[in-house]
Amino acid sequence: DIQMTQSPSTLSASVGDRVTITCRASQSISTWLAWYQQKPGKAPKLLIYKASSLESGVPSRFSGSGSGTEFTLTISSLQPDDFATYYCQQYNSYLTFGPGTKVDIK
Amino acid sequence: QVQLQESGPGLVKPSETLSLTCTVSGGYISSYYWSWIRQPPGKGLEWIGYIYYSGSTNYNPSLKSRVTISVDTSKNQFSLKVSSVTAADTAVYYCAREQVLGYCSGGSCYAPPDIWGQGTMVTVSS
Repeated sequence: DIQMTQSPSTLSASVGDRVTITCRASQSISTWLAWYQQKPGKAPKLLIYKASSLESGVPSRFSGSGSGTEFTLTISSLQPDDFATYYCQQYNSYLTFGPGTKVDIK
Repeated sequence: QVQLQESGPGLVKPSETLSLTCTVSGGYISSYYWSWIRQPPGKGLEWIGYIYYSGSTNYNPSLKSRVTISVDTSKNQFSLKVSSVTAADTAVYYCAREQVLGYCSGGSCYAPPDIWGQGTMVTVSS
């Protein structure tokens, strides 16, 4: 089984901040990694797939990078709509989600 | 625009079988993989499994012994059954469509879900 970890678990930030979330896989997954945003009571929304490809309609302030076992999601300038929980997900073998990173208001 | 809608009982008794259906509208169920994912209250996401429109399935190994996913292309629906449920199966259950382009290896293909239903809460309680 491929296990996913994320850090930090909670991140306090202000509007306009640059935010970076890290995701690690327990073994190499090449670039088979996606990032999701979830708001309370809502389904997750796909932001990034194949580690760095931006899903259609997602603002360009979101970007992803990494390969192998270490990945990052960066929000270049945090907007009010971005306060949410973010999950990474590997799809190299089955589908496994990370535990999530909650981005809240500082 | 493709939309997904989960339906089924919101309350299931322990040891019984949880049954949910996902109806696909605005598009056809053909040529895609369709997943079930769940999220216990206040916790993270767990992939349950997927079905291809042809009927081939792939399940999370931790749930495989209790899960069955089926498809009815004539109704544009796919379904989930989880047997012998316990309180640990209490969760919001989402159905989702997987992206067309993903990773295939050893006869299995995986891709990130890109279209999700709104989710339905299922509580296991007597």
